[in-house]
Amino acid sequence: GAVVSQHPSRVICKSGTSVKIECRSLDFQATTMFWYRQFPKQSLMLMATSNEGSKATYEQGVEKDKFLINHASLTLSTLTVTSAHPEDSSFYICSARGSQGRRYEQYFGPGTRLTVT
Amino acid sequence: SQKIEQNSEALNIQEGKTATLTCNYTNYSPAYLQWYRQDPGRGPVFLLLIRENEKEKRKERLKVTFDTTLKQSLFHITASQPADSATYLCALDMESGYSTLTFGKGTMLLVSP
Repeated sequence: GAVVSQHPSRVICKSGTSVKIECRSLDFQATTMFWYRQFPKQSLMLMATSNEGSKATYEQGVEKDKFLINHASLTLSTLTVTSAHPEDSSFYICSARGSQGRRYEQYFGPGTRLTVT
Repeated sequence: SQKIEQNSEALNIQEGKTATLTCNYTNYSPAYLQWYRQDPGRGPVFLLLIRENEKEKRKERLKVTFDTTLKQSLFHITASQPADSATYLCALDMESGYSTLTFGKGTMLLVSP
């Protein structure tokens, strides 16, 4: 149980275009989803926290107009990188936490490798 | 702000030995501490959670200790296997309710046969 999927697993896009990444909780309802970014040999950096049906809370230094997050249902959150630039190239990982049971545990998706050329 | 320190150098051990990884933090103690495993190009996988009022937690070959006085957690893998080779991340949760995790950079473990 507690499976989180991400799509796509890899994406290459041209500078200036937008990319959407989906995060789905497959077998539980995720009241809260988190989006992280990880650069090589670095720790996961939290970008934003989203609760179903409400606006995402962004961490300091993360541009909310550039990284659009939508958490429209209890099983789906999307991250859209708008007007992507090469410096946005990174490994984006989502995680989800359920509302019941082991609510302190976060379940991570497999990640999306974004390369902006 | 909270800082988490994990040994950035890879830990190389021989199969069958016990691997011990360290996680140190500064400032205030978290409500609970978690350990994750991350393989290259993959998302982290939850391993163990230990609360601030717990000294030790075990799960199969894994053992985690939590010393709030030393502000340190130790992560042990006994009878290590080459398949245990991965990066292990320590994460702290500072808040109750809508908690968020702060991750360390992780320590790479290499178990040689």
